[in-house]
Amino acid sequence: GAVVSQHPSWVICKSGTSVKIECRSLDFQATTMFWYRQFPKQSLMLMATSNEGSKATYEQGVEKDKFLINHASLTLSTLTVTSAHPEDSSFYICSARAYLTGGADTQYFGPGTRLTVL
Amino acid sequence: AQKITQTQPGMFVQEKEAVTLDCTYDTSDPSYGLFWYKQPSSGEMIFLIYQGSYDQQNATEGRYSLNFQKARKSANLVISASQLGDSAMYFCAMRELRGQNFVFGPGTRLSVLP
Repeated sequence: GAVVSQHPSWVICKSGTSVKIECRSLDFQATTMFWYRQFPKQSLMLMATSNEGSKATYEQGVEKDKFLINHASLTLSTLTVTSAHPEDSSFYICSARAYLTGGADTQYFGPGTRLTVL
Repeated sequence: AQKITQTQPGMFVQEKEAVTLDCTYDTSDPSYGLFWYKQPSSGEMIFLIYQGSYDQQNATEGRYSLNFQKARKSANLVISASQLGDSAMYFCAMRELRGQNFVFGPGTRLSVLP
């Protein structure tokens, strides 16, 4: 299956600093990537859809200036949490759209990044 | 409105037995896709199986099969011959033709007992 990597896998930072998370599709090109946030024991919450070469589409309630997304190439999307605060502490997961045999598309997920803001 | 419902917050199954994880969905779109993902404690979401709304046969992938009942809008995941490594959270998801986003259910935690 398609492989998606995410870096870093965990990060601890001080309040007020910015953190960049990278999402890469390793063996396929992804014109569309997605960023999710997951709180403990809850389901995934879509934050934004990242399309290569264009601006990301953010879900309602997600601050664009807080969570900066850049999809600069067909294999890389980045999420930057700017001026992080403790309430931004969470598990962030990216995914990339890929196509199955037969033409249907699915999402392959990265391993996630656990962010802790002190 | 809740588009994906998973009524079982937690399930237990004995090793080597089969287990069914429930998923019902709600959509007015005639074309959609249904997906199941596994999330072990490591956090990674692992794609398991896909069912298209127009597929005539139930999808199967190894020990995973999807019991698709379109009229009832259900897409239950069946895991045969459970293994200890199957212990994880399982999420049902749907993508409608109109959108490119997935909608995830709340998940079911499966515990396989030795």
